[in-house]
Amino acid sequence: DTGVSQNPRHKITKRGQNVTFRCDPISEHNRLYWYRQTLGQGPEFLTYFQNEAQLEKSRLLSDRFSAERPKGSFSTLEIQRTEQGDSAMYLCASSLTADYKNTEAFFGQGTRLTVV
Amino acid sequence: AQTVTQSQPEMSVQEAETVTLSCTYDTSESDYYLFWYKQPPSRQMILVIRQEAYKQQNATENRFSVNFQKAAKSFSLKISDSQLGDAAMYFCAFPSGYALNFGKGTSLLVTP
Repeated sequence: DTGVSQNPRHKITKRGQNVTFRCDPISEHNRLYWYRQTLGQGPEFLTYFQNEAQLEKSRLLSDRFSAERPKGSFSTLEIQRTEQGDSAMYLCASSLTADYKNTEAFFGQGTRLTVV
Repeated sequence: AQTVTQSQPEMSVQEAETVTLSCTYDTSESDYYLFWYKQPPSRQMILVIRQEAYKQQNATENRFSVNFQKAAKSFSLKISDSQLGDAAMYFCAFPSGYALNFGKGTSLLVTP
């Protein structure tokens, strides 16, 4: 296994268009996270899946954002009607632990979104 | 709300020297873990070291060690014998709900 994979690595889109990102976690990991990282900031939590169930969503996840994890495998993050403020690095991470306080999260390289 | 503060936006260290990155946090919990993650340029974030709050002994991973002061809610990272490959963004992180709450990061520059 080569780790967490994210596609595409870069995406440039026009304001108002919809975009979809994909994350393939480490195969045996049942926990999957999406984060957003803007320049000069640390990653900010967006949403969390345990298997196929979306268990937590941040207030940052507006109704233009939707995430899915069908069958508890890969995950997609869709942004509808993109705005310039959506420009950021979108990071996916996965983990496997029964103790969420001791979570070593494995991150992908991220998808950099630029909205023009 | 649990907050994580990294007060040093940038730090610089010479190769082979030692550097300490600071982090403070705020929590009302008594049992928790703290993490330092490294994000090299254009590469994925990786875990550097973790500390359990109940353990009095500071965690050590090779050249990386922490100075954990629970009462002061301080969790600093010491990098000894710095190498060029240590150049990266370093983030202090604290579990919040199911995810991690990250600080704003410290950019570490390593000079030859």
